[in-house]
Amino acid sequence: GNSVTQMEGPVTLSEEAFLTINCTYTATGYPSLFWYVQYPGEGLQLLLKATKADDKGSNKGFEATYRKETTSFHLEKGSVQVSDSAVYFCALSDLMYSGGGADGLTFGKGTHLIIQP
Amino acid sequence: NAGVTQTPKFQVLKTGQSMTLQCAQDMNHEYMSWYRQDPGMGLRLIHYSVGAGITDQGEVPNGYNVSRSTTEDFPLRLLSAAPSQTSVYFCASNRGHEQFFGPGTRLTVL
Repeated sequence: GNSVTQMEGPVTLSEEAFLTINCTYTATGYPSLFWYVQYPGEGLQLLLKATKADDKGSNKGFEATYRKETTSFHLEKGSVQVSDSAVYFCALSDLMYSGGGADGLTFGKGTHLIIQP
Repeated sequence: NAGVTQTPKFQVLKTGQSMTLQCAQDMNHEYMSWYRQDPGMGLRLIHYSVGAGITDQGEVPNGYNVSRSTTEDFPLRLLSAAPSQTSVYFCASNRGHEQFFGPGTRLTVL
C-alpha cells in the first residue's frame, strides 16, 4: 500500500534560518504529492503540490521538488519567519490505489515547526 | 463561498452518549471525507463519500456512521461515544486532487 514518511519534530529554528523538512513516500501507482500546513487551531490548508516527476511546487516562499528517483518531496524555505510556525503534512494522492479515501489521499504524521524570533 | 463548515467547534460527551458532527460544503464537490487527528498519528480517514448516496469506510470506521443524502452535507454520527474517540475531527471535500478542510471539531469523551 501507499505510505508517507516525514520527520516528526518538533523542529525548532531561529528566524531567517533555512528550512528543510524531509518527506519520502511509497506508492503503487503514479502519485501526486502535496504539502499541507495547519496553523494553531485551524484546519489544513494546501501549501503546494506537484503532479508529476521533476515538477516543482512553490508558494509563499516554500518549494518542493518531486523526485521520483529518490521517492522524495522535501519541503524547503530559504528564510523562515515566526509566522511560519505550524504543523506541516506531506501527502500523496494515487488514483491507482483506492484504499486511501475519496481521492486516495495518504498523509504523513506531520512535522511541528517552531520558529523563534 | 463559505467553503467547508463544521459544527460544533467544541463538544464534551459522556461515555455512551451519541451525537452528530455536522459538515457542509458549498463548492459542489462530489468527494467528501472525515478524518480524525490524534497526536503523533497524523490524519486518519474514518469514512468517505464519492457522491450523494454513496459512502465507504476508511482506515478507522468503527464506532462511526455516515450518510450522504445531498451533495452539500456529510454528517458523522457517533453511536455510543467512548474515551478512545476523544480527538479532533476534520471534514474535507475534494476538487480533483486538492482537499479543502473544515476548521475542525474538538471532541472530548469523558
